[in-house]
Amino acid sequence: AVQLVESGGGLVQPGKSLKLSCSASGFTFSSYGMHWIRQAPGKGLDWVAYISSSSGTVYADAVKERFTISRDNAKNTLYLQLNSLKSEDTAIYYCARRANYGGFSPFDYWGQGVMVTVSS
Amino acid sequence: DIQMTQSPPSLSASLGDKVTITCQASQNINKYIAWYQQKPGKAPRQLIRYTSTLVSGTPSRFSGSGSGRDYSFSISNVESEDIASYYCLQYDNLWTFGGGTKLELK
Repeated sequence: AVQLVESGGGLVQPGKSLKLSCSASGFTFSSYGMHWIRQAPGKGLDWVAYISSSSGTVYADAVKERFTISRDNAKNTLYLQLNSLKSEDTAIYYCARRANYGGFSPFDYWGQGVMVTVSS
Repeated sequence: DIQMTQSPPSLSASLGDKVTITCQASQNINKYIAWYQQKPGKAPRQLIRYTSTLVSGTPSRFSGSGSGRDYSFSISNVESEDIASYYCLQYDNLWTFGGGTKLELK
């Protein structure tokens, strides 16, 4: 079964950095694009970043220049480097798999999420 | 960037009711809309893709329709397990969620 497990969250001060990981299993990780999506406490979902199977990347405007998505196919792991963190980055961060329906595709499988709290 | 306006923000229904949620895109999204269900403390679960295609495991009481800029999602015969928040997602040009709809029991 497809499984995505995030880790690396926690409490961090404004302006500091954090690196999130998402360990994937149950599918051929290298063949799939992957996303990070976040949800602020009590709020809706916001797409954050995408990395294709060939490591092309796209970012939401709110995190461009501060966050970096990457992947290690040998380790079946997705990463999100969060730099220059702001209080508004406080959220649950989910990794999700891009579905392979051909052409444009939404997200099919999600991890359970990891909490990032930015506060002094 | 494409904006998704989802309504209503909240909805109260009795068991057995039919409920409908709408999403309007800021431009034509060519039917590239998906719908997700999220229960408290859980990750979202995909229900529908490409406007009206139910993904495996989605009960037939869920349905979707629409075209161009305007889309809708319905649950016929609401059951207690359907109490959750629902989100639309456009994936025609990058990815944008609607603001969500919280479905509660009347």
